[in-house]
Amino acid sequence: GENVEQHPSTLSVQEGDSAVIKCTYSDSASNYFPWYKQELGKRPQLIIDIRSNVGEKKDQRIAVTLNKTAKHFSLHITETQPEDSAVYFCAASSYAGNMLTFGGGTRLMVKP
Amino acid sequence: DSGVTQTPKHLITATGQRVTLRCSPRSGDLSVYWYQQSLDQGLQFLIQYYNGEERAKGNILERFSAQQFPDLHSELNLSSLELGDSALYFCASSVGGSAINEQFFGPGTRLTVL
Repeated sequence: GENVEQHPSTLSVQEGDSAVIKCTYSDSASNYFPWYKQELGKRPQLIIDIRSNVGEKKDQRIAVTLNKTAKHFSLHITETQPEDSAVYFCAASSYAGNMLTFGGGTRLMVKP
Repeated sequence: DSGVTQTPKHLITATGQRVTLRCSPRSGDLSVYWYQQSLDQGLQFLIQYYNGEERAKGNILERFSAQQFPDLHSELNLSSLELGDSALYFCASSVGGSAINEQFFGPGTRLTVL
């Protein structure tokens, strides 16, 4: 089955700096890669996703890049703000798949 | 508010007991997914139902079972509970049966086994 590894497990940045979280996956058939944000004590929420026919996708201060050859994808957050502090999860699934395999999560702390 | 509801919010029980967690999906969503989130751990997929039928199974223990009813709400049954079953249990719903459809998570049920 699919295996998703996520790094780093914790990340501390100064407000205004950029943050990058990286994930690798094992199943070459995977072609859907969502990112979820989970604030303390709250539910995970989808913040951005990318499909395999696209190499990069942006939404305001967040962007995701995908390298299918190397089987890794990354989340980039620019101009970080304290409200970006949360746990971020990457995940992978194939179009034919019915399940998402999640990475272990990254706890992002943005210091004001 | 995602539109997905879960009850109860908190559950405290003893080892060996059985509990039932309930999930109501967003209006119009046919799929329900169950996840387990242990302390400082990621989201572990347990099981998925689509329009009343089991669609996918993850790392779900034999002591756990689930079902989806005709009104599309779902229940997760956990039996012979052990201390290690203490976790946050989320359900999520989506329109379609494939994982490429956005999943909307409920607020979770925090289970504590003493």
